[in-house]
Amino acid sequence: SSELTQDPTVSVALGQTVMITCQGDSLRSYYASWYQQKPGQAPVLVIYAKNNRPSGIPDRFSGSSLGNTASLTITGAQAEDEADYYCNSRDSSGNHVLFGGGTKLTVL
Amino acid sequence: QVQLQQWGAGLLKPSETLSLTCADYGGSFSDYHWSWIRQPPGKGLEWIGEINHSGSTNYNPSLKSRVSISVDRSKNQFSLKVTSVTAADTAVYYCARAVAGRSIIFYYYYIDVWGKGTTVTVSS
Repeated sequence: SSELTQDPTVSVALGQTVMITCQGDSLRSYYASWYQQKPGQAPVLVIYAKNNRPSGIPDRFSGSSLGNTASLTITGAQAEDEADYYCNSRDSSGNHVLFGGGTKLTVL
Repeated sequence: QVQLQQWGAGLLKPSETLSLTCADYGGSFSDYHWSWIRQPPGKGLEWIGEINHSGSTNYNPSLKSRVSISVDRSKNQFSLKVTSVTAADTAVYYCARAVAGRSIIFYYYYIDVWGKGTTVTVSS
């Protein structure tokens, strides 16, 4: 199918590790990219090409991939990590762009 | 530093045409895919379509009949038009720059620069 599936909500205790997952057939041939979006702001790229971080993104953010599932891991979650997270890739045909439905991360 | 500046009308009546433009200041226009993405209030991101520097386009199948994206290479600008808008088109519209390529095993695609967004409201 040409879609990416994410859990709608995830919570993590301050300082603990959390994994946010994204499933889709396209992820068998495309690396997922991950974006953080805070209220009222444009999304920000946090992980690309499986496990690369843009300049300025803390190293507590990491990415991985296995089969049709990509994961974003935050090791030692901070209060400022509370946000919506979206995964993204092209579809298997390469002709269209897909976004996951988003995961709202709550840091307790 | 790459910046995307976007502009266009923010308030439309049903059946009118939405028109937005985005300019790339400071980047290499020819090396990227240029996308429009929208986000309805309280909802997730929806890809609208894209164009590359040579003018080749791809559109979201759900919007294809109403959407057109064009490019003005002389100004490093690209534009979005959505015809026959309804309240369902109310959203924040983002322009974005994307990188696409292939590593040894996998393809990759990611959006590294986003515009600030334009709030478009469709109301009678």
